[in-house]
Amino acid sequence: GAVVSQHPSWVICKSGTSVKIECRSLDFQATTMFWYRQFPKQSLMLMATSNEGSKATYEQGVEKDKFLINHASLTLSTLTVTSAHPEDSSFYICSATPTSGRRETQYFGPGTRLLVL
Amino acid sequence: GENVEQHPSTLSVQEGDSAVIKCTYSDSASNYFPWYKQELGKRPQLIIDIRSNVGEKKDQRIAVTLNKTAKHFSLHITETQPEDSAVYFCAETPNGGATNKLIFGTGTLLAVQP
Repeated sequence: GAVVSQHPSWVICKSGTSVKIECRSLDFQATTMFWYRQFPKQSLMLMATSNEGSKATYEQGVEKDKFLINHASLTLSTLTVTSAHPEDSSFYICSATPTSGRRETQYFGPGTRLLVL
Repeated sequence: GENVEQHPSTLSVQEGDSAVIKCTYSDSASNYFPWYKQELGKRPQLIIDIRSNVGEKKDQRIAVTLNKTAKHFSLHITETQPEDSAVYFCAETPNGGATNKLIFGTGTLLAVQP
């Protein structure tokens, strides 16, 4: 139980283009999903908290107009990296917390590796 | 502020020995402390967690201890095996878990030598 998927698993794009990453909770409903970024050999840095039906809450230093988050249903959140640049290349991981049961436990997706050329 | 210090950054042990990783947090309202294991290129996997009303929790070879007064918690792995080799992250929920967000430590690369 508590499976989270991400799509795509990896993506290569040209500088200036936009990339959309999907995060889905497969066997549970998630009121809240989180988006992290992880650079090589570093920790997970929280980018934003995504709540179903409301605007995302961004962490300090994260540009909301560059990283667009949509959480339209209890099982899907999307992160769109707009006008991507090489410095946006990273491993993007989402997580989800269930609406019932262990609500503080975050279950992670497998991550999306983004390379911007 | 929201800050979690994790030590050591790297840890090498012989198979069968114990490994201990320590984390220190700053928010006295933090009430949930999970530990995640991340293998190279893969997702973080929850291995054990503890809540602030408990001082110790054990699950087979893994245990976590919490000292609320000192604001630190530790991961203990006994009888280490090569498959325990990975990066381990501690985390905590600041503000009493009001937002459920996690603040992660800097990670510990554990290498278990056969």
